This record gives sequence, C-alpha cells and structure tokens, in this order.
Amino acid sequence: QKEVEQDPGPLSVPEGAIVSLNCTYSNSAFQYFMWYRQYSRKGPELLMYTYSSGNKEDGRFTAQVDKSSKYISLFIRDSQPSDSATYLCAMSAPGNQFYFGTGTSLTVIP
Amino acid sequence: EAQVTQNPRYLITVTGKKLTVTCSQNMNHEYMSWYRQDPGLGLRQIYYSMNVEVTDKGDVPEGYKVSRKEKRNFPLILESPSPNQTSLYFCASSLSFRASYNEQFFGPGTRLTVL
Repeated sequence: QKEVEQDPGPLSVPEGAIVSLNCTYSNSAFQYFMWYRQYSRKGPELLMYTYSSGNKEDGRFTAQVDKSSKYISLFIRDSQPSDSATYLCAMSAPGNQFYFGTGTSLTVIP
Repeated sequence: EAQVTQNPRYLITVTGKKLTVTCSQNMNHEYMSWYRQDPGLGLRQIYYSMNVEVTDKGDVPEGYKVSRKEKRNFPLILESPSPNQTSLYFCASSLSFRASYNEQFFGPGTRLTVL
C-alpha cells in the first residue's frame, strides 16, 4: 500500500467553480500536511501547509485535515484559469522525509 | 533572489555514460534533497542530506550517488545511467531538518533522457 494516495484526474472545471482535491494516507505518524502547486515545466511550489487536524484558509484556498479518517482536502473557491496546474499533496512526520501524492491535474476553462 | 538552481535543465545521454546534475541553493539551507518525478508515481525521494558530509538514502537510491562537500551544493551523480533513469529530477532545500516543519523549496527541474 502506498503511503499517500491521490486521484490523478485529470479534472476540468468551468471558471468560477469550486474545486475539491483529496488525498488519503496510511501512516498515522504524519503530522504535517502540505499542498504544492506545480505549473508545467516548473518545480513544485508550496501552496499551503497544516499541522495536525483542522482547517486552514488562505484567500480562495482552504485546506482540511481529518486525521481520524486519514484524509486531507484542498478546496479552491471561485477557480480561475490561472489555477490550472498539477496539485500535489505531501505529508511528513517530525524530522522525517516527505511523501508526495502522484498529483491531480486541474484545468479551469474560461 | 533566493533560489535553488539546477544544471543542466535538459540532458539526453546514452546508456553507461557517467553524468552529474548540479544543484545549488543560496539560502544557507542545511537540508537538501533529490527527487525524481515519473507519471503515475509522483515525486519519489532519491537521496537527502541533513548537512555537510551527511547524506542518506531515500526511497529510490539505486543507481545514484550524491555528495555534500559544501553547504550550498548537492550534486547528483549517475555513474552508469540506464534507460529506466529517464525521468524529471528535482532538487529541493529547506532550512533545517532539526525543526519540526520546514518548507521545501524546489529547483526548476532537470529532464533527463537515457537512450
């Protein structure tokens, strides 16, 4: 079983839609949960990170972590064409290496 | 500008011809890491380094070597490349492995093709 599972998509939505991206994981030691955005031909960039369970909001983006279900989500409100990218979830335990999901490809259609 | 740089960005080579991909960061970060990214497999860690002269294997270290002689540089060495090492490679760095959480900064990637 993979440490982190992520639906690869692709996901295609109209501009203005709410987007929901999800990952599940198996290692209960993970405490740090991250979402990276990767544009074509670029390296991943950190979008949001959350420690332990709960929600975190940053503008149009909301990250949720449910440790009891081992499930994390990223919501994008009022999606824009500039949000078109691959979104990678990542997680780590304190002082340990990072584990990444396979990434979900998102296209926002104007 | 704070950044992680990699060279070359694109490389086509043949089986068995030794190559080195350089990685350099200007943020005085202690922790550096190499990943490969393949379709359907995501980012997988090859090697990482917690500080100068300290390196350790990640999930997929076979066929790769690294060294960390200076804090800013972390080259990836393929002594005898094979076609299954054709991939997109990323170098990343973060401030310190001692902290509970560190943001990782990624380089722009090196696309390697081994014929």
